[in-house]
Amino acid sequence: QSVLTQPPSVVAAPGQKVTISCSGSSSNIGSSRVSWYQQIPGTAPKLLIYDNNKRPSGIPDRFSGSKSGTSATLDITGLQTGDEADYYCASWDTRLSAVVFGGRTRLTVL
Amino acid sequence: QVQLEQSGAEVKKPGASVKVSCKISGYKFISFGIAWVRQAPGQGLEWMGWISAFDGSTSFAQRLQGRVTMTTDTSTSTAYMELRSLESDDTAVYYCARRRAYSGYADLAYFDHWGQGTLVTVSS
Repeated sequence: QSVLTQPPSVVAAPGQKVTISCSGSSSNIGSSRVSWYQQIPGTAPKLLIYDNNKRPSGIPDRFSGSKSGTSATLDITGLQTGDEADYYCASWDTRLSAVVFGGRTRLTVL
Repeated sequence: QVQLEQSGAEVKKPGASVKVSCKISGYKFISFGIAWVRQAPGQGLEWMGWISAFDGSTSFAQRLQGRVTMTTDTSTSTAYMELRSLESDDTAVYYCARRRAYSGYADLAYFDHWGQGTLVTVSS
């Protein structure tokens, strides 16, 4: 049972927009900053979003993040088949004194 | 460019120890910390802890306290993670990642570059 709650899976068609939610509490998202990672099966995770809504260089603006209260969301627009992957949110938890990850959200583009 | 190169796959028996290395290149080693994250087969990501490459200070996940050690060798720009008293539940891919702390915060951080992962299999 992950501390941060994400939907197990989302499905969308190429070109559409998808939103992945990440729900936490006042001890993590509510008092910290959120990052998002993309993991194509068999490969290492890749940073997509940090500081709630900032993109590292090289990440297209089709990926955007936001945070409100104890929840965060990752939006992906103009979906491509190459976006098929697992997505994780992460935050620092002040009660656990640990980094906590969300459970995996598997994105299928078809 | 920033690269984190991890050591190869390991097979260990229950009760044994494993030490995984992570060699850094492309940036000044002591400028950032190194985090370790593991992923059991078919499961999500689990934070294990991190180490400051500057002063060697560490922070570990509570459930691994007492079994995990993280060290660095600044002469070779290499970070190490040792896990002792291995159990079958420790079978996982172990990743090192560069830790970027948010300005003004000691604990809040994100992971911007990752190693390729090291598969550790614990089996009798």
